[in-house]
Amino acid sequence: SQQGEEDPQALSIQEGENATMNCSYKTSINNLQWYRQNSGRGLVHLILIRSNEREKHSGRLRVTLDTSKKSSSLLITASRAADTASYFCATVPNSGAGSYQLTFGKGTKLSVIP
Amino acid sequence: GAGVSQSPSNKVTEKGKDVELRCDPISGHTALYWYRQRLGQGLEFLIYFQGNSAPDKSGLPSDRFSAERTGESVSTLTIQRTQQEDSAVYLCASSSRLAGGADTQYFGPGTRLTVL
Repeated sequence: SQQGEEDPQALSIQEGENATMNCSYKTSINNLQWYRQNSGRGLVHLILIRSNEREKHSGRLRVTLDTSKKSSSLLITASRAADTASYFCATVPNSGAGSYQLTFGKGTKLSVIP
Repeated sequence: GAGVSQSPSNKVTEKGKDVELRCDPISGHTALYWYRQRLGQGLEFLIYFQGNSAPDKSGLPSDRFSAERTGESVSTLTIQRTQQEDSAVYLCASSSRLAGGADTQYFGPGTRLTVL
């Protein structure tokens, strides 16, 4: 089953604008990760935020995590055409036999128009 | 060093045939994962290998699916008697499996399987 649910499903913005994608999940997590996928092939890990962290930055990326609302957001600032891709959130559960499994959402398809 | 590699990159087969997909993980990574991604969907977990432990096969959708891994190296995913609903991209990932589940998984480029 897919725990993470991203919204919006698709987002189209002009180059230079900021892009915000949201992710909601259902169960207690150890960490939440964001991945990027170009052209439906391999995924690239962007950033990992642990359950005891609230915000994390990496370059033009800013991720927030609100465990009380079971939600996360990914902000890409000053977007570029090269940021065009699908973005997925994935959660790792807090405990149990499957505590290594990544559970992915369906993704947000971002289009950055030059 | 080299990333995760998968072969073939594309596979077209006829319904009822068996297929074998290969994954070469990053050297030294003890954990290996297989996922399936249907068109427009997120990734579905299939199977997980960690060192010499028994694999977690809980995500395999049917007994037509099986996977093996030789030590901490190559893994093969086999689909027997393929069906059209097996058409998807099959992604492999490996990780160094840090404690507490906070490891980063490195993905291969995937194998796009099309069952006619």
